[in-house]
Amino acid sequence: KNEVEQSPQNLTAQEGEFITINCSYSVGISALHWLQQHPGGGIVSLFMLSSGKKKHGRLIATINIQEKHSSLHITASHPRDSAVYICAVRGFGNEKLTFGTGTRLTIIP
Amino acid sequence: DTAVSQTPKYLVTQMGNDKSIKCEQNLGHDTMYWYKQDSKKFLKIMFSYNNKELIINETVPNRFSPKSPDKAHLNLHINSLELGDSAVYFCASSQDLAGGGLRGYTFGSGTRLTVV
Repeated sequence: KNEVEQSPQNLTAQEGEFITINCSYSVGISALHWLQQHPGGGIVSLFMLSSGKKKHGRLIATINIQEKHSSLHITASHPRDSAVYICAVRGFGNEKLTFGTGTRLTIIP
Repeated sequence: DTAVSQTPKYLVTQMGNDKSIKCEQNLGHDTMYWYKQDSKKFLKIMFSYNNKELIINETVPNRFSPKSPDKAHLNLHINSLELGDSAVYFCASSQDLAGGGLRGYTFGSGTRLTVV
């Protein structure tokens, strides 16, 4: 079992819908990252969280440390949001990132 | 001006050959990484360097040898390439070992290696 689990694996939605992607992890962490991998392959860092909530444009990321769970929300989704969203965690005193398997999001116009 | 650039973007080579992938960052970051993404799109850390010093070496065959001539460069040399080495290799950098800084991790565009 992977230390970092994401759900759903695949998500297809209509333009304008509110999107939620979930990430659960089984180890203590010092930080959690959300990444976006575009269809062309490039990877962009979206958020780094250690507690609470962060917002950037239409993207919102939350984390609950006690429940070992994070969510990534996209409001007013758009076809350009179509990508693979990857959750990654970093443990205490451990500089490496452990990645989830990703959630493939497709937004239909 | 590309922040993390890696070359080449595509590499097709025969089994048994030796090849190198180069990575350079112009962000002034202290820490650089190599990640491997397999055919199922799963990312895994291979190496990390902080100020030219090897920090993480994750159970990678010793055919893979990273080299960091300075903190802006982290190259990956692979000896005796095998079919199973086919993957996309991503270079990344961060301000420090904690992956912090304004931009968190910054990734290169990837090198798709195909071993035939």
